[in-house]
Order: sequence, then structure tokens, then C-alpha cells
Amino acid sequence: TQLLEQSPQFLSIQEGENLTVYCNSSSVFSSLQWYRQEPGEGPVLLVTVVTGGEVKKLKRLTFQFGDARKDSSLHITAAQPGDTGLYLCAYGSSNTGKLIFGQGTTLQVKP
Amino acid sequence: KAGVTQTPRYLIKTRGQQVTLSCSPISGHRSVSWYQQTPGQGLQFLFEYFSETQRNKGNFPGRFSGRQFSNSRSEMNVSTLELGDSALYLCASSETGFGGYTFGSGTRLTVV
Repeated sequence: TQLLEQSPQFLSIQEGENLTVYCNSSSVFSSLQWYRQEPGEGPVLLVTVVTGGEVKKLKRLTFQFGDARKDSSLHITAAQPGDTGLYLCAYGSSNTGKLIFGQGTTLQVKP
Repeated sequence: KAGVTQTPRYLIKTRGQQVTLSCSPISGHRSVSWYQQTPGQGLQFLFEYFSETQRNKGNFPGRFSGRQFSNSRSEMNVSTLELGDSALYLCASSETGFGGYTFGSGTRLTVV
């Protein structure tokens, strides 16, 4: 099983700051997904990146897939308290419904 | 479109008992997968069903089992509960089992 390592594990910042979360592996992936999970809820899919070097933007969130498709990053600009949550990267085995998740990054944005 | 519905939301059971959790996927989604989430191990894959067939199984003991019905609704069962089974159990559905998944809010199981 390919492993996904996320860093940092915990991040506590003030509202308005920028941050980057990393998802790394030694393996090559056909695609990677990013999810956000709020306390007491299930993860919600934010984005799927497929092409090496791809950059996708979702409002203040920017997702990047590494050129070699071994790593990905999530950058949040001007973080807001509503961004607080657990950010997870994951890859899926095709046609088997199995998602392998990283350990996650817990983000706390203080007002 | 209704989301993925999991019942019950909370459950407290005693060691040695068994429990059944239910998941109703999004209409039209034939793939349902189950995950266990704990603070120490994170999100771990339990199993996936597609059109009533188990296609993939994670590394969990045989006490964990599941099934899927013809209407795509799924249940998972844990027998002989142990304290370590306390976790948030999440199910996710997708049309084919490939691509983005929609998760339910989970069932919080506490074993005492």
C-alpha cells in the first residue's frame, strides 16, 4: 500500500494569514483528492487533481499536483475561521472504491 | 438530491455485544464503502460493495462484516465488540467506485 504523508500535522494561525499543507509520497499517483472534515461530520471532497503540474483554484484555496505526480499541496490565502477543520489528502484505487488517506492536517484559524 | 444518510448517529454498546450500522447512499450510486476513523489510526478502509458484491476488503478482523441490498443500501456489522472498536464509522457512496466520493456524517460508536 502506498503511503501518503501529510505535513504539518497541526497548524494554528490567526485570521488573515496564509498557509500551505503538503501531501507527499514516494509513489506515483494517477490522481489525488483533497477533503475537508469538520468535527462530527464526514469528509467533503474539495478537489481531484489528475495531471502532473496541474493547479486548481477554489476561491481562496489553491491546489497543486506535483510534476512527477508524487506530491500535492494545498495553499489557503487569507485564512478565515470557517476554514478550520481537518484537511485530508487521499488516493483511490481505480474501480475498487478504496481510498487511502493521509493522516490529515488539523487547521485552527483564530479570529 | 439527498446526501448519504447514516443511522444511527450515536451508539453506546457494551463489550461483547454486536452492532449493526446502516448507510443509505445517494440515489443512483451503486458503490458504498465503509471507513473507520480513530484519532490514532486516522481513516482506514473497511470494505466496499458494488451492486451487492464485495469488491474490496481492508485489513480488519472477520468480526467486521457488511452487505449491500438491491436498492444499494448497505449495512455493516461488528460482532463481539471490543473497546478498541470505539470510533467514527463513515460510509461513502459514488456512482462507480472511482473518482469523488460523498461521505455521510458517520456513526459515532462508543464501546464501554
